[in-house]
Amino acid sequence: AQSVTQPDIHITVSEGASLELRCNYSYGATPYLFWYVQSPGQGLQLLLKYFSGDTLVQGIKGFEAEFKRSQSSFNLRKPSVHWSDAAEYFCAVGAGAGSYQLTFGKGTKLSVIP
Amino acid sequence: KAGVTQTPRYLIKTRGQQVTLSCSPISGHRSVSWYQQTPGQGLQFLFEYFSETQRNKGNFPGRFSGRQFSNSRSEMNVSTLELGDSALYLCASRGEGYQETQYFGPGTRLLVL
Repeated sequence: AQSVTQPDIHITVSEGASLELRCNYSYGATPYLFWYVQSPGQGLQLLLKYFSGDTLVQGIKGFEAEFKRSQSSFNLRKPSVHWSDAAEYFCAVGAGAGSYQLTFGKGTKLSVIP
Repeated sequence: KAGVTQTPRYLIKTRGQQVTLSCSPISGHRSVSWYQQTPGQGLQFLFEYFSETQRNKGNFPGRFSGRQFSNSRSEMNVSTLELGDSALYLCASRGEGYQETQYFGPGTRLLVL
């Protein structure tokens, strides 16, 4: 069974600073990996996804993530954080190409200091 | 294209009652999945429906059930509600093809008193 670990429950950064959110996964085959963001009272919005190919993936809102198979990691990065990035971020691994389910990490809450 | 819609957005029930939540997927999407989000357990997969058939099921008791209609709209039902069922229930739809993205609705927040 697949699993996802997000080691950081809460991160606080200053506006304009760089950001890295950590994600480690466990999955027997080639993983499908995702980062979603959730603002308070909202559903989940996809930031980026990795299925195969280039291990550096670009997403929306200036985010990127790098897949490192040797470290079973898929860390999310942003060079300069904006106050509007304050939200909760979820890493997820997707199982299978047919029957489809996402297994999520517990999330990392990001606070941004103006 | 309209996004995934869920109704109602908020719901208050008492223990022992049952509840039905509704989800309308993005037009053309035949896969609908349901997830439960709680502060303690996080986001957990409930089940997935595709073309009116349950294709996958998470580790939840039989009180949680669902169905999908021919127009791909889906409902989930929780019978004999317990306090621990209080959660945000998220619906997601997905197109066909293994690289298709799962798009989430805003959720239904259920409070069980």
